Amino acid sequence: GEDVEQSLFLSVREGDSSVINCTYTDSSSTYLYWYKQEPGAGLQLLTYIFSNMDMKQDQRLTVLLNKKDKHLSLRIADTQTGDSAIYFCAERAPFGNEKLTFGTGTRLTIIP
Amino acid sequence: ETGVTQTPRHLVMGMTNKKSLKCEQHLGHNAMYWYKQSAKKPLELMFVYSLEERVENNSVPSRFSPECPNSSHLFLHLHTLQPEDSALYLCASSQDLHSGGYNEQFFGPGTRLTVL
Repeated sequence: GEDVEQSLFLSVREGDSSVINCTYTDSSSTYLYWYKQEPGAGLQLLTYIFSNMDMKQDQRLTVLLNKKDKHLSLRIADTQTGDSAIYFCAERAPFGNEKLTFGTGTRLTIIP
Repeated sequence: ETGVTQTPRHLVMGMTNKKSLKCEQHLGHNAMYWYKQSAKKPLELMFVYSLEERVENNSVPSRFSPECPNSSHLFLHLHTLQPEDSALYLCASSQDLHSGGYNEQFFGPGTRLTVL
């Protein structure tokens, strides 16, 4: 079955880059996502990548996808205090059964 | 109101109580979802509704009973829960269940449930 794994915690100094990693098991995933959850809020889509891409950049965010190793990463450049949140990796099953499988979430803490 | 709203935001109940969680989406979406978020565990999909019809029940105990009276509202009825059911219950919606695009799910803020 599908399984998505992430580290539970990451601490980064303000101004440094944060790299959050994720591994998944379903090689037929169509889309992979990063959702952000701020305190007291639900999840919000941060970015996504289609499975035929290996990189996507959006301002301070860079997503890297290694399909061979089933590894997804999210890099946040110039990390700010407002980036403190839980970041969830998710994979989407192929067309016809398009539920999302989420990881545990990685809690990103910014050190001033 | 906009987006996805959930009420109540916090709920404390005893094991013999009956309570309901409510979710409402103001986005005109056709698919709605219930998730359970527990500490240090993956976000767990519980139920999926598409056009008011339940299309997925992920082996959820019968003490959780969903209801979708129309495409804008989703309920989760709770009965004789256990302390291990304490968690954050998140509702989400998407335009459709099946989509050729990235089909973003929009989440509500959740209901923090504590079972004593």
